[in-house]
Amino acid sequence: AQKVTQAQTEISVVEKEDVTLDCVYETRDTTYYLFWYKQPPSGELVFLIRRNSFDEQNEISGRYSWNFQKSTSSFNFTITASQVVDSAVYFCALISSYTDKLIFGTGTRLQVFP
Amino acid sequence: GAGVSQSPSNKVTEKGKDVELRCDPISGHTALYWYRQRLGQGLEFLIYFQGNSAPDKSGLPSDRFSAERTGESVSTLTIQRTQQEDSAVYLCASSSPGAFGVTYNEQFFGPGTRLTVL
Repeated sequence: AQKVTQAQTEISVVEKEDVTLDCVYETRDTTYYLFWYKQPPSGELVFLIRRNSFDEQNEISGRYSWNFQKSTSSFNFTITASQVVDSAVYFCALISSYTDKLIFGTGTRLQVFP
Repeated sequence: GAGVSQSPSNKVTEKGKDVELRCDPISGHTALYWYRQRLGQGLEFLIYFQGNSAPDKSGLPSDRFSAERTGESVSTLTIQRTQQEDSAVYLCASSSPGAFGVTYNEQFFGPGTRLTVL
């Protein structure tokens, strides 16, 4: 079965705090891709990152970083020094050669207060 | 335009009426996807097009839902005899072909159509 779990429904932080959004996935395929998308209040999903199953190197992009660990089937997302503009719903998603569907988690709503 | 566009942005209809939702993908993107997002929930896959054919229709919730794509471009999602539970935001996404196949590339999303069935 293909499944993505984002156990944190909502997280509230104060500006400049670091925050980590958790993502745990399930797949029986050995070739798969993981994604993070941001959905700001405007509603349009914005692509953040894609990671394939053969590349476990962590990635950093500005204040964003991602930790991919196959051993725990996790692909966590950390925002360093959060800002109010980071307030959004963040979705983790999985696609594999077993299915053409992008399977989304239920999302984590992040609220950053000034 | 540069991105995926959808129309209308909002649609209010009465229960039992048919509605058509339109998606214009990014030029050159051969894959097109429809999703449904109910209020406060995640995205639910509906259907996927590769070119003009739909290899995966498994997400369509009932036979009241259908979709077509022409000219490897515009797609229309039709909901017949709408029900109140059809109220949601319907999102369209497209992706480009890649070395490992279209399905692995990132999907670019449109702004969605908010459907309200009274």
